[in-house]
Amino acid sequence: DIVMTQSPDSLAVSLGERATINCKSSQSVLYSSHNITYLAWYQQKSGQPPKLLIYWASTRESGVPDRFSGSGSGTDFTLTISSLQAEDVAVYYCQQYYRTPFTFGPGTTVDMK
Amino acid sequence: QVQLQESGPGLVKASETLSLTCVVSGGSINPYYWSWIRQPPGKGLEWIGYVHYSGSTTYNPSLKSRVTMLVDTSKNQISLKLTSVTAADTAVYYCARGGATMDVWGKGTTVSVSS
Repeated sequence: DIVMTQSPDSLAVSLGERATINCKSSQSVLYSSHNITYLAWYQQKSGQPPKLLIYWASTRESGVPDRFSGSGSGTDFTLTISSLQAEDVAVYYCQQYYRTPFTFGPGTTVDMK
Repeated sequence: QVQLQESGPGLVKASETLSLTCVVSGGSINPYYWSWIRQPPGKGLEWIGYVHYSGSTTYNPSLKSRVTMLVDTSKNQISLKLTSVTAADTAVYYCARGGATMDVWGKGTTVSVSS
């Protein structure tokens, strides 16, 4: 299985400041012949199901604010919230869909400082 | 818009079979893949597998011997069966649209396994 790790486990950011979450896969999730990266990001608020934010490592899902951005390739990825809003307090998960079984990272909790 | 609603018994005895249904409303099961994901209390997400509207399935090998996913296009619903449950199967179970990335999720249903 492809193992996903995330760092930090949690972070507290002031309103309007940048939040950066890192994700690493145990093997590349880049399909090199097509230059496509099979990596997604989800946001899960307390008591709610996850919500898809980003797929193909950097493509925002429809309706997701542009303060959310994804980057990276191969095995190292980053989710950035450029200006944290109160409604962004949540747990964020990365997920690889390069190979089954699809696997998620352990999550990063983002709180307001 | 498409909405998903999971349902099933909230309590299952150890060694018995967990059976859940996910009704799709506001849209058709065709031509999508449909996934089941679970989340143990206070923990992260585990992908259980997916079923295509045609009925083809792919399961997580860690659960494959115990899992069955079915689709009922006439009722616009999918189902999950997990046999021989143990306390480790206690979780919130979600159904979601999509086989790789999941763009629409149900609210989830909590299943506890009792000894």
